[in-house]
Amino acid sequence: SQKIEQNSEALNIQEGKTATLTCNYTNYSPAYLQWYRQDPGRGPVFLLLIRENEKEKRKERLKVTFDTTLKQSLFHITASQPADSATYLCAPGGFQKLVFGTGTRLLVSP
Amino acid sequence: NAGVTQTPKFQVLKTGQSMTLQCAQDMNHEYMSWYRQDPGMGLRLIHYSVGAGITDQGEVPNGYNVSRSTTEDFPLRLLSAAPSQTSVYFCASSYGGTGRQPQHFGDGTRLSIL
Repeated sequence: SQKIEQNSEALNIQEGKTATLTCNYTNYSPAYLQWYRQDPGRGPVFLLLIRENEKEKRKERLKVTFDTTLKQSLFHITASQPADSATYLCAPGGFQKLVFGTGTRLLVSP
Repeated sequence: NAGVTQTPKFQVLKTGQSMTLQCAQDMNHEYMSWYRQDPGMGLRLIHYSVGAGITDQGEVPNGYNVSRSTTEDFPLRLLSAAPSQTSVYFCASSYGGTGRQPQHFGDGTRLSIL
């Protein structure tokens, strides 16, 4: 069955540093991969979508890579801020469905 | 634009009771989905709809029913609540196919079954 792995331990970094979150998947060949941010008590909020034929995508301080050979996506936040503290979910998917990882909690300290 | 609205925000039920979780979107999205989120499990797809009158099962459909009579609304019905259905339920919508379009989520319904 499809398996999505994200670091279950929280990632603690200092303000101004680059945060890198990892998403690995197995038994799966997704055509798309999405990243979401989730704050406590709120629904996930869409951040970025990358297609299987795209190696990298950027949006402001965010960068996502998609390596279909390694079956891995990396999510980077540059110049991190305390306001970036949240849980980040990766979601590989096909045309009609997404499969969500359990998320990695990011804590950015001043 | 309200986006995706879920009601109620919180609910406590007794085992065996039935209830309907409401979901409405005002973005004219074709695709709508219901997920449940449990600690350590991630979001799991319960049911989804690709348009009015069309629904299909997701990963964990047992114990839940859905219908889609309008584009805007996609209610989720618990037929006979069980403690295993204690969870946070999220409704989401998107313009096109779920994987290739951003999902817009509501803020969830927190459901406890005693």
